[in-house]
This record gives sequence, structure tokens and C-alpha cells, in this order.
Amino acid sequence: EPEVTQTPSHQVTQMGQEVILRCVPISNHLYFYWYRQILGQKVEFLVSFYNNEISEKSEIFDDQFSVERPDGSNFTLKIRSTKLEDSAMYFCASMILNEQFFGPGTRLTVL
Amino acid sequence: AQRVTQPEKLLSVFKGAPVELKCNYSYSGSPELFWYVQYSRQRLQLLLRHISRESIKGFTADLNKGETSFHLKKPFAQEEDSAMYYCAPLLCHSGTYKYIFGTGTRLKVLA
Repeated sequence: EPEVTQTPSHQVTQMGQEVILRCVPISNHLYFYWYRQILGQKVEFLVSFYNNEISEKSEIFDDQFSVERPDGSNFTLKIRSTKLEDSAMYFCASMILNEQFFGPGTRLTVL
Repeated sequence: AQRVTQPEKLLSVFKGAPVELKCNYSYSGSPELFWYVQYSRQRLQLLLRHISRESIKGFTADLNKGETSFHLKKPFAQEEDSAMYYCAPLLCHSGTYKYIFGTGTRLKVLA
């Protein structure tokens, strides 16, 4: 059964550095998402992406964040200048028929 | 304000006992409601959705529009049901879709 994949599983970075989190959604899905979960807190919506553009973004998704679908398969989340408070699990998801399929997550640690 | 409330952070029950995980939501419109589950060291996955009216792994959930609740129930809990459970209405706005996750309830089924 096809699955959403994410790389890396764990990313450690210094504050102020740029990170790119990668996701490969399920191939026939059209809607793509990023969520994050700070340790001990709930899963929070960051951004949705459809038809090669952002369809909605949350207040968390400020100018430091960007998403891209550079080719037909990858979907990336870039954080331009990481802050300590960006430390979290980041989940990618793709959707079909109103069901979202989640990746395993990338744990981002900002030191 | 759009909100999902899962009042219990942790619910412990003995094996074979009934379990009910509460979810209340508040937002306008007729949401499609989902329960997602996250087993230890696994990804978020769909448990059930209210429109399908299916029973998955013995769990059921009834949408009560009057009380705006979507509680998850199982008559006889099993140890393998131990996991984090998230209630998640799917919001549709201007053609875009996103989940609003509750804070989650950790279910521990004791032997």
C-alpha cells in the first residue's frame, strides 16, 4: 500500500540556520499539507497546497516558512532562519476523498 | 471560534472495560468528523470517519449535532488499543480543506 514518506527522520540544526524538510506524498493525491506538533502539545495546521500554490496557511506559517513542489513527487517545507521554538515534529500529509494520509514525521531540534 | 475539545488528556481503563473518549467541537456548518489514532512509534492514521458509519477495531462514534459531540466508544477495551487518539473535524473553506485537531487523549489499557 502506498505511503507518504518523509526525510530526514531527525534533523538537528543551529538557531538561525535554514532547514528543508522533505516529503513524498502519495502519487495520485492532489492536496498536500504540513502540520507540526510541539512536544506535549496538539497537532497544528501549518499550510495546505493545491494546484501548485498555497491554498491556506495558519498564523504560524510566517515569512520564515515556505513550501515548494519542485517536481512531480517531492513536497518540501523550508524554514529560512530557524528559532528555538521551531523545535517540533513536522508531519506531511496528502489527501484524497477527504482522508489525509500522514507521513511518519521529521523531528526538528533547534539548538 | 472554531474549537475541538478533548477534555481528558489521559484515560486509563482495564482490559475488557468499556471506554469512551470524549470530543466536543464548535464551529459553524456541518463538519465531517474523524478520529485519528497514533500507536507508539507509528504515524497518525485514520481510525474512523462519521459518514462511513463503520466500526473499526470495535470502535464506533456517533455524531450528536445537538450536543456537538463525536465521542469514540468501544465496549471492551484491549491492550492493543493503547494509543493517542485525536478527534479532528475537517473544515472546508473556499474550496480548501484542513483538519483542526483536538489536543488528544492518551488511552492506556491495563492488563
